[in-house]
Amino acid sequence: ETGVTQTPRHLVMGMTNKKSLKCEQHLGHNAMYWYKQSAKKPLELMFVYSLEERVENNSVPSRFSPECPNSSHLFLHLHTLQPEDSALYLCASSQDRGRNTEAFFGQGTRLTVV
Amino acid sequence: DAKTTQPPSMDCAEGRAANLPCNHSTISGNEYVYWYRQIHSQGPQYIIHGLKNNETNEMASLIITEDRKSSTLILPHATLRDTAVYYCIVTRWGGSEKLVFGKGTKLTVNP
Repeated sequence: ETGVTQTPRHLVMGMTNKKSLKCEQHLGHNAMYWYKQSAKKPLELMFVYSLEERVENNSVPSRFSPECPNSSHLFLHLHTLQPEDSALYLCASSQDRGRNTEAFFGQGTRLTVV
Repeated sequence: DAKTTQPPSMDCAEGRAANLPCNHSTISGNEYVYWYRQIHSQGPQYIIHGLKNNETNEMASLIITEDRKSSTLILPHATLRDTAVYYCIVTRWGGSEKLVFGKGTKLTVNP
């Protein structure tokens, strides 16, 4: 148990569906992140939020839309996804993006787009 | 950030020390060495990090060479639960968002 909780753990969605992934941390951290891990590929950083403000967006397609309503919650809204978007989506948090601290990861959401 | 090179896979007998090497020959003076591991289908887990001195915690030891161009992660008494992919990451002082994960080393601990 890392203190970072992701729901759901598994999600199957059609290409025309809209769904959301949720991440929650009660570690008092100020920074939260979304990563994507496709099969046999390294983890890719998607979005970074610091104090609820998006500070980095690594050229992620607009069909992925993040939302950070407060420092404890992070969402990833999904719409009109493609089968190649099937992957493990990981949320992480750290004390402060401006300091050299470790990241705590959730268990991930295994997404399958059909 | 500096690039790292790790062997794709290693084996270790249960109860023995596992020594995982990492080369980072282009590391600069303000870059740290981080180690994470990822057990199958779980999120990565932080293990340890260091700048130039050797570090030890309850999970592992990190040995960094004097020229800082390579390091070794040591699991002193490997167990079956240590079977995972181990990632060596070099990143500047600037926060965890600069964690760039490579392919890592798949460590298999055998009974």
